[in-house]
Amino acid sequence: AQKVTQAQTEISVVEKEDVTLDCVYETRDTTYYLFWYKQPPSGELVFLIRRNSFDEQNEISGRYSWNFQKSTSSFNFTITASQVVDSAVYFCALSEMTTDSWGKLQFGAGTQVVVTP
Amino acid sequence: DTEVTQTPKHLVMGMTNKKSLKCEQHMGHRAMYWYKQKAKKPPELMFVYSYEKLSINESVPSRFSPECPNSSLLNLHLHALQPEDSALYLCASSQHSEETQYFGPGTRLLVL
Repeated sequence: AQKVTQAQTEISVVEKEDVTLDCVYETRDTTYYLFWYKQPPSGELVFLIRRNSFDEQNEISGRYSWNFQKSTSSFNFTITASQVVDSAVYFCALSEMTTDSWGKLQFGAGTQVVVTP
Repeated sequence: DTEVTQTPKHLVMGMTNKKSLKCEQHMGHRAMYWYKQKAKKPPELMFVYSYEKLSINESVPSRFSPECPNSSLLNLHLHALQPEDSALYLCASSQHSEETQYFGPGTRLLVL
């Protein structure tokens, strides 16, 4: 069963617009981690942020911000004032702390972000 | 420094060839991973090594053989691959298996 759902397949914006990427996850664990990774056309997965299940504090880091809500099992990500260099596939991922899942990153399908000048 | 290196960047091989992919990290991480990623799909975990021991094998076919010679190196030996094995192979490492994984640039493999 899909544990991480990224319903948006592709989002296209014009430079300087804000972009919000949705992520909904499913787990029975009380302890887990959520991640966002960025994959530009070059292929390398770039780590952006990690949140544990006990830390619902939302954060802003430069043009990036995150909204973690356990009540709705969502971990959304926003790029403010988008730039062409933000064009990439963005993956949300879940890591559970059960014995069978220890060390496994379970990725969503990814959202392609296209920023045009 | 969060650098994971992978060689080669590109590899073309026939179905009867034997080749190896190499991954290296010098961050003192004790967990290392191999992922396979097909076009327009998320990465899929293949193997996890923790403290140089294989801890997870996601039912990967035996034509893929991982090896962890030491805590900094991870190899993936390839033999008798099929065209459907063509993909981007990503290596990652983390301090421990529950910590953040940092990925290398990947090896793009084409099997003819």
